[in-house]
Amino acid sequence: GNSVTQMEGPVTLSEEAFLTINCTYTATGYPSLFWYVQYPGEGLQLLLKATKADDKGSNKGFEATYRKETTSFHLEKGSVQVSDSAVYFCALREMDSSYKLIFGSGTRLLVRP
Amino acid sequence: DSGVTQTPKHLITATGQRVTLRCSPRSGDLSVYWYQQSLDQGLQFLIQYYNGEERAKGNILERFSAQQFPDLHSELNLSSLELGDSALYFCASSFTGTGNTEAFFGQGTRLTVV
Repeated sequence: GNSVTQMEGPVTLSEEAFLTINCTYTATGYPSLFWYVQYPGEGLQLLLKATKADDKGSNKGFEATYRKETTSFHLEKGSVQVSDSAVYFCALREMDSSYKLIFGSGTRLLVRP
Repeated sequence: DSGVTQTPKHLITATGQRVTLRCSPRSGDLSVYWYQQSLDQGLQFLIQYYNGEERAKGNILERFSAQQFPDLHSELNLSSLELGDSALYFCASSFTGTGNTEAFFGQGTRLTVV
């Protein structure tokens, strides 16, 4: 079945550092890809998405590019802030009739002042 | 605020008991998804309803069941609870449950089984 693999955390960075969280997927076809963020004590919020190969999703300074050659969708941000501390989930949307999301295991990011 | 409401936010209950988790989808959304988030299993899809009908089933235990009512709210029933059922249960809704619409998540119900 389809699956998502993302890098283990926690990732600890200093404020203004560059962030990369790796995500790769295994899927039949070209599913839509997503990054969700979960702040402490809250639900999941959609951060960005890409629906086809070479698409770049971006939001709040975060970016990710859909790379079909490497089946990857790595999340990047040029300068992280303390407020970015959260758990980040990479996900793909199944292409069957359910369109359910398949999530990676999540990566906790801690940004220190 | 995603517009998806889950109640209760927290629930503490004993092993062997039964609980009901409730989800009100965003206004106009027809599809509801239930997910379980646990430390060892991550985020797992449980079940999906679309306009009152079950559409897809994931790794949902036989002790668990769900339904979606005519007003489109959904309930997840968990029975004969075990310690391992302790988790955060999320509901998500989307307009049609198709690939062209986004899923919005509620804040979750944290279930603790003692």
